[in-house]
Amino acid sequence: DIVMTQSPDSLAVSLGERATIKCKSSQSVLHSSNNKNYLTWYQQKPGQPPKLLIYWTSTRESGVPDRFSGSGSGRDFTLTISSLQAEDVAVYYCQQYYSTPYTFGQGTKLEIK
Amino acid sequence: QVLLQESGPGLVKPSQTLSLTCTVSGGSVSSGDYYWSWIRQHPGKGLEWIGYIYYSGSTSYNPSLSSRVTISVDTSENQFSLKLTSVTAADTAVYYCARASYNWLSGRWFDPWGQGTLVTVSS
Repeated sequence: DIVMTQSPDSLAVSLGERATIKCKSSQSVLHSSNNKNYLTWYQQKPGQPPKLLIYWTSTRESGVPDRFSGSGSGRDFTLTISSLQAEDVAVYYCQQYYSTPYTFGQGTKLEIK
Repeated sequence: QVLLQESGPGLVKPSQTLSLTCTVSGGSVSSGDYYWSWIRQHPGKGLEWIGYIYYSGSTSYNPSLSSRVTISVDTSENQFSLKLTSVTAADTAVYYCARASYNWLSGRWFDPWGQGTLVTVSS
């Protein structure tokens, strides 16, 4: 199984400041056939299912504000929120869809400082 | 807009079988473009992919659960189902159904998700 490890487990950021969440996979999720990283990010708010934020490492889902961005390649990935808003308080998960069993990071809880 | 909705008992006794159904609206489980998935989340914990099914009945399961899991599809009812046998307290979780692309080269993230249903295993 590909193990996904996020850091930190929790993060407190002031409103308007940048938030950065890391995700590391135990093996590369970059596929040579299409040069794509099979990595996605979800946002989960309390009592709600996860919501797709970003796929293919850096492509924002329709309707996702452009303050959210994703980057990385191979085994190391980053989700950045450029200017934290109150509505961004949530738990964020990365997930690899390179191989089964599909696996998720343990989550990073983002709060307001 | 495709919507998914889980249904089933919220309480299951230890050693019994957990059975859940996901009803799809606004789309068809018979679409050849998608896998139909089950994912669970233990209370206060992360997410675990259980498995998925294609409309033809082809399945893929997480090896950690494969000995106890069966996912089936009912195209006439536009539903797919999860059965998990010999449950213990460790199977207490919120169970979600979700859709993923069939074409791996097109990506296989999960979207959309159902709202989830809490299943508690307790006597």
